[in-house]
Amino acid sequence: KQEVTQIPAALSVPEGENLVLNCSFTDSAIYNLQWFRQDPGKGLTSLLLIQSSQREQTSGRLNASLDKSSGRSTLYIAASQPGDSATYLCASTSNTGNQFYFGTGTSLTVIP
Amino acid sequence: EAQVTQNPRYLITVTGKKLTVTCSQNMNHEYMSWYRQDPGLGLRQIYYSMNVEVTDKGDVPEGYKVSRKEKRNFPLILESPSPNQTSLYFCASSPSTGTAHSYEQYFGPGTRLTVT
Repeated sequence: KQEVTQIPAALSVPEGENLVLNCSFTDSAIYNLQWFRQDPGKGLTSLLLIQSSQREQTSGRLNASLDKSSGRSTLYIAASQPGDSATYLCASTSNTGNQFYFGTGTSLTVIP
Repeated sequence: EAQVTQNPRYLITVTGKKLTVTCSQNMNHEYMSWYRQDPGLGLRQIYYSMNVEVTDKGDVPEGYKVSRKEKRNFPLILESPSPNQTSLYFCASSPSTGTAHSYEQYFGPGTRLTVT
């Protein structure tokens, strides 16, 4: 069974700092990997999707990379803002595309 | 607007009283799924459906039932709820194979269930 781990569990940074969130998974046979943002008491918002054949995806100040061989993905956030404060979750999709495995998230606080 | 809707958003019930949480999507997605989210455990998949009349168990299916009679709807049924099913529940949908967005999940707003 796929195990997904996110480190650190919590992170606090000053506004303007660049930061990296980590996601590791035990089974490299994945269909894709997706990063989400979750605000307190709210649903999940998709940030980036990386297909298994891709190495990275970018959207605005966000860049996600994928290294299947080492079982790792990173989410890079440039020039962090207080509005980036949220919990960030990564999820891997099984190679058959039918099951999803989530990490427990990294809670990010950006201090003004 | 493309979206996944869930109802109710909040529900307090008592042990053993059957309940249904509805989920509907308007994006013509083939794939739909239910998750529960608990502190320290993250999101865990309960059931999923690859298409109409096709459902299968996820990691934590015990105590739950689902059905997929229509493409847009995927209700979650708790026949006899127990306190350990108190949780935050999410429904999600995604297109299946054949697109660049295959299995990119879109989530509903969540249903907070309390079983006393």
